[in-house]
Amino acid sequence: QAVVTQPSSLSASPGASASLTCTVRSDVNLGNYRIYWFQQKPGSPPRYLLRYNSDSDKERGSGVPSRFSGSKDASANAGILLISGLQSEDEADYYCMIWHSTAGVVFGGGTKLTVL
Amino acid sequence: QLQLQESGPGLVKPSDTLSLSCSVSGGSITSPNYYWGWIRQSPGKGLEWIAYFYYSGANYYNPSLEGRVTISADSSNNRFSLRMISVTAADTAVYYCVRHADFWGLGTLVTVAS
Repeated sequence: QAVVTQPSSLSASPGASASLTCTVRSDVNLGNYRIYWFQQKPGSPPRYLLRYNSDSDKERGSGVPSRFSGSKDASANAGILLISGLQSEDEADYYCMIWHSTAGVVFGGGTKLTVL
Repeated sequence: QLQLQESGPGLVKPSDTLSLSCSVSGGSITSPNYYWGWIRQSPGKGLEWIAYFYYSGANYYNPSLEGRVTISADSSNNRFSLRMISVTAADTAVYYCVRHADFWGLGTLVTVAS
């Protein structure tokens, strides 16, 4: 089983909020890890959005709007990227990542967000 | 503003060695608290971490690639490199050099074909 998994796709309407999940394998204690989030549009490198570990250990990337925020759902052992006030320009692939103690840097498979 | 730029051959033959270089400007690869390295993306696929190094000299490798890849740093020229041996078609990808995790190069496409 992959260390990190993401749903392959998600659709949401303009102006709505989208919650993208990054589920960590059950034997991995999410509480020990920062979750990183990236946005990638076709033909461009990934863009660093933010990292989240806790409310006291979080960071948004330079120039990233406050519409993008991170959190964790301990009950689901998952990191969450919340995008509020969806805009057409938010349509992209979104990747999460953790730095696992033995597997190294691990990415989720990515979620394709469609805004329609 | 920090900038990273990859360079290397666009085409490599199967079983050959791939060598890529990353030139860094606007910041030093010897700065404490930062990891530098390589991430790749096969056409139409997701992201795969390859390797990182830390200014202290520690190197970190993807277990699935360890043994085939070597990362090295040239602090005098503020650049770092990746060497991958015995490449196959499965190594065809866009290779990005990065500063973990916030700065990425534009990427360079490497195709493995005869």
